[in-house]
Amino acid sequence: GQNIDQPTEMTATEGAIVQINCTYQTSGFNGLFWYQQHAGEAPTFLSYNVLDGLEEKGRFSSFLSRSKGYSYLLLKELQMKDSASYLCAVRSPNDYKLSFGAGTTVTVRA
Amino acid sequence: DAEITQSPRHKITETGRQVTLACHQTWNHNNMFWYRQDLGHGLRLIHYSYGVQDTNKGEVSDGYSVSRSNTEDLPLTLESAASSQTSVYFCASSEFLAGSATDTQYFGPGTRLTVL
Repeated sequence: GQNIDQPTEMTATEGAIVQINCTYQTSGFNGLFWYQQHAGEAPTFLSYNVLDGLEEKGRFSSFLSRSKGYSYLLLKELQMKDSASYLCAVRSPNDYKLSFGAGTTVTVRA
Repeated sequence: DAEITQSPRHKITETGRQVTLACHQTWNHNNMFWYRQDLGHGLRLIHYSYGVQDTNKGEVSDGYSVSRSNTEDLPLTLESAASSQTSVYFCASSEFLAGSATDTQYFGPGTRLTVL
């Protein structure tokens, strides 16, 4: 089975940094995805990690530790438009299915 | 540009009725997925398909069915709608692309279904 945990909500100030943690206990692992979802919209792909370490994409970075079953998404220089839900998803080994966490709602305040 | 569309975007129906939600993608992806999203549960997989004539059950498949007669479409049917099926439904597609490390799933805009 799959058990993927993320905090429900986080609040941060514009210009600050926020770190969203994701822990997983899954029957097999073949990569971890982060998606962003604005209210009323579809999820959109942010990042993918399959090896341990940090992947940086502009203001967003994602980290993975497979031995700890742990990932985080780091959002730097927060902007109001970053207010959204952030979904952590683990890919099953040997197929294309994703298992999603419940998502973390980030609110950016002025 | 390639895209993935869903219709209708909003639907209200009555308990017991059969409902079909459409999903159409022009990416030419082999993999297609249906999810439902409810508060506190995140995205849960209903059914998925890895190619024409291939369909598989996900974690919450009871009361739903799909068929895959071509690459572009994966319609989702609720055989006899129940109030517990009130939700937002997302369709997604994916494919391993040349030069890509993985198959990123691309999501449609969603269908909000209310069963009264």
